[in-house]
Amino acid sequence: EVLLVESGGGLVQPGRSLRLSCAASGFTFDDYAMHWVRQAPGKGLEWVSGISWNSGSIDYADSVKGRFTISRDNAKNSLYLQMNSLRAEDKALYYCAKVHGAVSGWVDYWGQGTLVTVSS
Amino acid sequence: EIVMTQSPATLSVSPGERATLSCRASQSVNSNLAWYQQKPGQAPRLLIYGASTRATGIPARFSGSGSGTEFTLTISSLQSEDFAVYYCQQYNNWPPLTFGGGTKVEIK
Repeated sequence: EVLLVESGGGLVQPGRSLRLSCAASGFTFDDYAMHWVRQAPGKGLEWVSGISWNSGSIDYADSVKGRFTISRDNAKNSLYLQMNSLRAEDKALYYCAKVHGAVSGWVDYWGQGTLVTVSS
Repeated sequence: EIVMTQSPATLSVSPGERATLSCRASQSVNSNLAWYQQKPGQAPRLLIYGASTRATGIPARFSGSGSGTEFTLTISSLQSEDFAVYYCQQYNNWPPLTFGGGTKVEIK
């Protein structure tokens, strides 16, 4: 069974940092790309960042470029999102998403999400 | 960047009726389109990929069609558990993976 378990969310002040983690199990982690997708309260899905199987291809939404950094540790079956200079508009539920492909594709599995709240 | 536009924003349907949801891409995505269902308090669930292939365990009442820029998700006979928000997503051009704004299917 594929499991994606996010952690690291919480309440943080504007301008501060937070690091999200996603622990993956039930599949060969280093065969697949992984992405972060977020959902602001009452809003739709927004792609945040993605990383290919070998970290050779990485990209970010314009809204987070220069502030967020995605990474993965294939030895630990883990995905990360370092979020710096957080803003109020970054408040959202952040989902870890497994993609059916080494770089891109459809999301075949989602975690349950970790909530990030940015407020003073 | 490819923009995905879903219509209508809200669809009111009676149980047992057919629901037809639309998704339009600002440029061709070939058949590289997926549909997801999201219920309140839950993560999205994959329904369709490749524009028309049902994911594992998805009932046959869900069907997808289209290619290029115009896509449709059809729910042939709505069940109570189908009332949810539905999103389309293109994966033809990455980055980014772009989602539509969603269609809420509500009980009429």
